[in-house]
Amino acid sequence: SQTIHQWPATLVQPVGSPLSLECTVEGTSNPNLYWYRQAAGRGLQLLFYSIGIDQISSEVPQNLSASRPQDRQFILSSKKLLLSDSGFYLCAWSEKGAGGRVAGELFFGEGSRLTVL
Amino acid sequence: GQQVMQIPQYQHVQEGEDFTTYCNSSTTLSNIQWYKQRPGGHPVFLIQLVKSGEVKKQKRLTFQFGEAKKNSSLHITATQTTDVGTYFCAGQVGGSYIPTFGRGTSLIVHP
Repeated sequence: SQTIHQWPATLVQPVGSPLSLECTVEGTSNPNLYWYRQAAGRGLQLLFYSIGIDQISSEVPQNLSASRPQDRQFILSSKKLLLSDSGFYLCAWSEKGAGGRVAGELFFGEGSRLTVL
Repeated sequence: GQQVMQIPQYQHVQEGEDFTTYCNSSTTLSNIQWYKQRPGGHPVFLIQLVKSGEVKKQKRLTFQFGEAKKNSSLHITATQTTDVGTYFCAGQVGGSYIPTFGRGTSLIVHP
């Protein structure tokens, strides 16, 4: 069966420090991968999505970046965190349909709660 | 770009009352998905609707997809405290790699 792992679960970082959140998927190949951010009590904001290795699309301008060095590994990074980067970060994957489009449901990881002080 | 509006943002109900959340899209959708996020948890897929006018049921939950495939609703009959959480709809248009999520409706059930 497929599983998604995301870590760390919780982190507190000072302003200006770097960030690295990691997500791996098991039990599937060539998935679509996503990074979402959820501010407290708010909806899901899509940050990045990827349809393949080194194929990353950014949805919003920000000081975050994403990389996909392996088929089932998705990393969210920042060189210098801002206070506004605080939030709940969710990695997700989906199967591919025709043309690489979302074929069905998104499977979310447990999330990483980031507090920037 | 595509927008999915979801209302209400919050809904307080007494246990046993019904609950409905609505989603409206600015464009015709190829499908719509519904997710539930428990407090402190991550979104979990509930269902996907694809056909115009489709109605699906899961126990006390009824999901509808509008005839024009631009709106959808989730109705919960006789809410229970286990229904507490935020319900999200996510619509996808043909040719898009990504679903667009509504802002969610947070359901609070008072015992």
